Parts: sequence; structure tokens; C-alpha cells
Amino acid sequence: DAMVIQNPRYQVTQFGKPVTLSCSQTLNHNVMYWYQQKSSQAPKLLFHYYDKDFNNEADTPDNFQSRRPNTSFCFLDIRSPGLGDTAMYLCATSVNKRGARYYNEQFFGPGTRLTVL
Amino acid sequence: TQLLEQSPQFLSIQEGENLTVYCNSSSVFSSLQWYRQEPGEGPVLLVTVVTGGEVKKLKRLTFQFGDARKDSSLHITAAQPGDTGLYLCAGEGYKGGSEKLVFGKGTKLTVNP
Repeated sequence: DAMVIQNPRYQVTQFGKPVTLSCSQTLNHNVMYWYQQKSSQAPKLLFHYYDKDFNNEADTPDNFQSRRPNTSFCFLDIRSPGLGDTAMYLCATSVNKRGARYYNEQFFGPGTRLTVL
Repeated sequence: TQLLEQSPQFLSIQEGENLTVYCNSSSVFSSLQWYRQEPGEGPVLLVTVVTGGEVKKLKRLTFQFGDARKDSSLHITAAQPGDTGLYLCAGEGYKGGSEKLVFGKGTKLTVNP
């Protein structure tokens, strides 16, 4: 089945120790997103890739970076995690071609639950 | 800035009861999606509504898009414990072609046996 996979599902790191979360997809979607979600809140968009173009949200801290080496993979790097970065991190994909009509339905992975101690 | 307000924020009911969740905005959306998220998992798309006044049914769930495409509702009939989760509405901007969604803050539903 086509799907969005996130690894690891659970990650514990120390304050200030860099961490990388990964996302892969078999849907061949051109858009990939990273969201941060804190307990019982709506997902908050950190950034997204439209094809190879990186789009950062204005309020995303510089501490958060992303890489997309190819269509299938996307990484979230947190350079110096703080206690406030403890959250669920969700990867999502969609197919979107500018000028065409898509309804931007997003398909989410199961998430990585990050705990910063 | 487009905003989606969901209500209620929390809802705890008994099995067999009916409920309605609302998603409202002062902005027009070209489409609106509903997701359900179970604890520890990612959101799962339930439905997309695109036409003003549209009604879609998914078993015991009924989704409606307002005539002016500014609001939507989710009605669950005879709720079951398996319906427990966080329900999120998300809208696509009126101009369309945007790859970003505006999310509501969600409704946390608990259905007690």
C-alpha cells in the first residue's frame, strides 16, 4: 500500500543534542510538509517543499532545518533541541500542480513523538 | 489571515448519543477537509467538501459545507467508542492552488461505553 512512513516513532534526546527525524513516501507526491503538534492541539506547519523549492513559515525557529534529497525522502533536523520542542512531529504529503485543480488533500504519516530531557 | 474556529473544543458523551461539531470562518474556502486523529497517530482524511451546500455521508458521519463555503459541520449519529479522537477541519484558501491548509484547533471527542 502506498503510504507515508516516519522514523523513528519515538525519540528521546538531551537538551541541546541535535536530532534528525526522517520521512519517506511511496505516494510519489510532489509536496511534503513538516508539522509540529503539541498535546491535543492542531498541527502547526513548520515548512514544506513544493518539488525542490523550500518554503519556510515565518515563525519557524532557525533551530529547525529540513532537507529533501529526492522526491521520496524528507528530513527534519533540530540543531539544538530545547525543552519546548517536546512534541509530535508529523510529516504529510500532497499532490499539487500550480495551475491545475487539486484539493490539496494531505496524507499524514504516523508521527514521531520527540521528548527533550 | 484566514482562521477556522472549531467548536466545541472538548466533547464527552455516552455511547449511542448524537453530536455535531462546527467549523466556522469569516473567510471563503475553495474546499474543506475533515480529519480524525487517534492518540499517538497522524491525522487521517475523512472527507473533502468542495461545493457550497454539499452534504457527504460516511456511514454514521454526515459532513456539510455551508452555502457560502465559510463553514462546515460534522454530525455523528449513534456515537461509538471507536469514534473517540481529535477531529480537525482544514480549509484550502479561496484562490486555490495553494499547497497549504488552514487548520482549526480541533475537537477532542470522547465516547464513553
